[in-house]
Amino acid sequence: DAGITQSPRHKVTETGTPVTLRCHQTENHRYMYWYRQDPGHGLRLIHYSYGVKDTDKGEVSDGYSVSRSKTEDFLLTLESATSSQTSVYFCAISEGESYEQYFGPGTRLTVT
Amino acid sequence: QKEVEQNSGPLSVPEGAIASLNCTYSDRVSQSFFWYRQYSGKSPELIMSIYSNGDKEDGRFTAQLNKASQYVSLLIRDSQPSDSATYLCAVEDSGNTPLVFGKGTRLSVIA
Repeated sequence: DAGITQSPRHKVTETGTPVTLRCHQTENHRYMYWYRQDPGHGLRLIHYSYGVKDTDKGEVSDGYSVSRSKTEDFLLTLESATSSQTSVYFCAISEGESYEQYFGPGTRLTVT
Repeated sequence: QKEVEQNSGPLSVPEGAIASLNCTYSDRVSQSFFWYRQYSGKSPELIMSIYSNGDKEDGRFTAQLNKASQYVSLLIRDSQPSDSATYLCAVEDSGNTPLVFGKGTRLSVIA
């Protein structure tokens, strides 16, 4: 978890509300990623960024948007949270696209 | 998207034994392979990376790669109860996803 923080660490929200999760790194790594982890599905990539203002979709991007205005921050927004978005969300960073990824501590999100 | 397959386990081994974790992948052009350990309720932690065919050793861990067979494995020697965790295999994807993760193998080391 060194150099990567996520906030909040836990959140309970209601269906239909917007939610923003933040990932902050102090490693100056170019790539940042958002994953969700669910039982039976493993880690699935939501979106990733390869530089400031440069983002791309992952495997499960529907219902999520991201923004990266600074190298150190990568935001994940659920525009209108649904119960199917209840999950543990992990941020990860890497120096390059095929390099090792290092994970943050995670955010447990519950949508009621 | 390419696939990464792991036996979900649980794999139970006695303390002091060798634990062998296996992973197969579908993308023939993958060049980078990683093993992560994840304790319950925690985030994945990188423990090994391997890029060339053969073995790579780091302490009690050995990663083995066979690109012809599209197979990567992780051996844990002298297994300890503290090794009990879920082990995730991750493989570089030549498509749109930088890394593809397997669903993980749960390892239980019995004292």
